[in-house]
Amino acid sequence: TQLLEQSPQFLSIQEGENLTVYCNSSSVFSSLQWYRQEPGEGPVLLVTVVTGGEVKKLKRLTFQFGDARKDSSLHITAAQPGDTGLYLCAVSTDSWGKLQFGAGTQVVVTP
Amino acid sequence: DAGVTQSPTHLIKTRGQQVTLRCSPKSGHDTVSWYQQALGQGPQFIFQYYEEEERQRGNFPDRFSGHQFPNYSSELNVNALLLGDSALYLCASSFLNTEAFFGQGTRLTVV
Repeated sequence: TQLLEQSPQFLSIQEGENLTVYCNSSSVFSSLQWYRQEPGEGPVLLVTVVTGGEVKKLKRLTFQFGDARKDSSLHITAAQPGDTGLYLCAVSTDSWGKLQFGAGTQVVVTP
Repeated sequence: DAGVTQSPTHLIKTRGQQVTLRCSPKSGHDTVSWYQQALGQGPQFIFQYYEEEERQRGNFPDRFSGHQFPNYSSELNVNALLLGDSALYLCASSFLNTEAFFGQGTRLTVV
């Protein structure tokens, strides 16, 4: 069983549409991170959420951490082709920074 | 700052062979972690090096070994390659458990 379950696995939308991807767990976390990975590249950190109920915005991306700190969502408004990529959520499971990732949501935005 | 650099970018090996992958961390970083990312999956933690020692290890067999040099660069060695070892191998560097930066990865194909 995966510690972090991401849904959906794959999302294909047209430019200008909105989308939401989810990251769920039965465990409670002190923080959760979202990464974007483009083909041929390593993951790049987008945001870290720390407080239950926290909402963070990064341009057209809105990240929310669940009140119970077990789940998180990423909402993209007016998606653009540049938003195409694999979106990964991850948690640090120890004090040395070991990361555990979900399987990711592959997002494809077509013009 | 060159960021995290990995070499080679692509590699094809035959079953049973051995492979060495290399990673140069971001300037100022002293901790190197290695991850394996199979197609369609999130990265899986292999091990982490700090002060030239393996500090922690994920659920990978002893065929996977590593090394960290005095300049903080690192190598990942895999012996007796299996078809299932085909994956993207990612190196991440960090300092004092701050944000981890990932390299672009080495795509290993075992035939």
